[in-house]
Amino acid sequence: KAGVTQTPRYLIKTRGQQVTLSCSPISGHRSVSWYQQTPGQGLQFLFEYFSETQRNKGNFPGRFSGRQFSNSRSEMNVSTLELGDSALYLCASSLAAGSAEAFFGQGTRLTVV
Amino acid sequence: GQQVMQIPQYQHVQEGEDFTTYCNSSTTLSNIQWYKQRPGGHPVFLIQLVKSGEVKKQKRLTFQFGEAKKNSSLHITATQTTDVGTYFCAGGVGYGGSQGNLIFGKGTKLSVKP
Repeated sequence: KAGVTQTPRYLIKTRGQQVTLSCSPISGHRSVSWYQQTPGQGLQFLFEYFSETQRNKGNFPGRFSGRQFSNSRSEMNVSTLELGDSALYLCASSLAAGSAEAFFGQGTRLTVV
Repeated sequence: GQQVMQIPQYQHVQEGEDFTTYCNSSTTLSNIQWYKQRPGGHPVFLIQLVKSGEVKKQKRLTFQFGEAKKNSSLHITATQTTDVGTYFCAGGVGYGGSQGNLIFGKGTKLSVKP
């Protein structure tokens, strides 16, 4: 079966712009989580969605937001981009909220200039 | 805030040597997960440990969860070049079962010289 698909794979944006990233989970998976990965901070949890509801949110400013659609696909949005938002954004899907095994997508590499 | 410390940050080994990475938490964890990320790739789930003192093996990989559920280790016997990558632990805090309850260590980057 197809894995987790994230689009786009690479993105270059200018400071102050906004960006929307997309994640399509594995078919049948209803839980989607988002992470930011940087060399300095490692993997940091952004938010988790299950059945279109945000279940948990990490310690990120309100410029970071997300949503999940009825087909379990998820998007995350970052407004008013800052240079420090440059990172690899990873989406992970799991069968249900609280499932042990999370399947990660290839990520979206965001560069803010 | 709560942290999961992982050491060492880097490890260079000769092919055939053993490798161990350690995770330590100041608080009791509900579970610990391990992931592997190849260079340029994405994290891949390896295993989850839940019970105090649990030991699990996957071929040359041995995972342990400490008796106090505050530390864990991953040991690779006789490393191969295919083991190259960064190994992350993720400690579960609280019992909500949410991915948001996982605190990731910063990873140990393993390089293997053939």
